[in-house]
Amino acid sequence: DAGITQSPRHKVTETGTPVTLRCHQTENHRYMYWYRQDPGHGLRLIHYSYGVKDTDKGEVSDGYSVSRSKTEDFLLTLESATSSQTSVYFCAIMGTSNTEAFFGQGTRLTVV
Amino acid sequence: KNEVEQSPQNLTAQEGEFITINCSYSVGISALHWLQQHPGGGIVSLFMLSSGKKKHGRLIATINIQEKHSSLHITASHPRDSAVYICAAGYNTDKLIFGTGTRLQVFP
Repeated sequence: DAGITQSPRHKVTETGTPVTLRCHQTENHRYMYWYRQDPGHGLRLIHYSYGVKDTDKGEVSDGYSVSRSKTEDFLLTLESATSSQTSVYFCAIMGTSNTEAFFGQGTRLTVV
Repeated sequence: KNEVEQSPQNLTAQEGEFITINCSYSVGISALHWLQQHPGGGIVSLFMLSSGKKKHGRLIATINIQEKHSSLHITASHPRDSAVYICAAGYNTDKLIFGTGTRLQVFP
């Protein structure tokens, strides 16, 4: 199995509080992604990174920011959580463009 | 706009049946991924293919580039195959476009 872990696995937070999710990989893969998964939608890209300090927005980036200061870590921050950000968040990695993708186990975030 | 469509959305089968899940995409791709997600579980990559056919155990994935269509087949289905199957299209970018998934339930 590819070495990719997400933390925390579950979190409940209050509206308006900041939240940071962490994705850690041991594969030295260049590309890292954050997706959210909601009923009725496919996985939707929030932000992604193509190298240290190189990040770009995905289709649902509003309200989220990311940082990648090391190859192995990709952080997703909700600056001020809202109920619409209640979702399951997945991190993914790819070695190069269009190679096999590996996913973390997901983080279930509930904003109350 | 790059789109990925899967069918059916839901599928039920009896153990032992042959199962087919379909995926269509809108423009040319460089690779097509099939993923599996068990209830409450993570997402696992099953196949990545850009042409022809790949086989792993009871799972077979095919792709027809001209028709912009891919299929995932499961032979001799088993209850443990119950999961959501997701196709994702990789274009000549570093991002994937995902279908909404097919929920498969296999009953004993």
